[in-house]
Amino acid sequence: GEDVEQSLFLSVREGDSSVINCTYTDSSSTYLYWYKQEPGAGLQLLTYIFSNMDMKQDQRLTVLLNKKDKHLSLRIADTQTGDSAIYFCAEKRNSGYALNFGKGTSLLVTP
Amino acid sequence: DSGVTQTPKHLITATGQRVTLRCSPRSGDLSVYWYQQSLDQGLQFLIQYYNGEERAKGNILERFSAQQFPDLHSELNLSSLELGDSALYFCASSVAPDTQYFGPGTRLTVL
Repeated sequence: GEDVEQSLFLSVREGDSSVINCTYTDSSSTYLYWYKQEPGAGLQLLTYIFSNMDMKQDQRLTVLLNKKDKHLSLRIADTQTGDSAIYFCAEKRNSGYALNFGKGTSLLVTP
Repeated sequence: DSGVTQTPKHLITATGQRVTLRCSPRSGDLSVYWYQQSLDQGLQFLIQYYNGEERAKGNILERFSAQQFPDLHSELNLSSLELGDSALYFCASSVAPDTQYFGPGTRLTVL
């Protein structure tokens, strides 16, 4: 199929690490993205990784890319209640400019 | 704040009607993208404009059309509205093809 797959829901305790996983569709995808959507808000670009990289770290965020398995993950260290949101994985295929999004993972951080 | 603005924030209308959604991209961004977010379909790419010209088309219905004006703002026109058109409509802009910044969205409710 043509779907970017993500698990729908993740619950973690405040202070723990969160890992959100994504499987994308196109091995020729050039860029892979993580967006965050808080209730009633738009999509905030969190980070992205170019396909020739394995890992990217940005403060509390770590992105890991396994091109062989077409697997992308987002790790949030020291998760806070303000991190509660929906996280979307997206790919930009080599053939175009539009982003192909997953259905989103709803992250709930409990005190 | 991504720098992308969209108006109106909310729109309530009746079936069969026509509406126009407006988007102003970030200063300097030449590309504008429109996406639809619904509960059943997730985030779907509709159409892209680059410097006034249509660049790519996605899952856009024939009842929908868009344009980008010389000042680079864009409008998405939705006509003969149906209940199923109720969704969040996002505009995104980019200067480079690798990063798209999203506006806050317009929530359309068709009654």
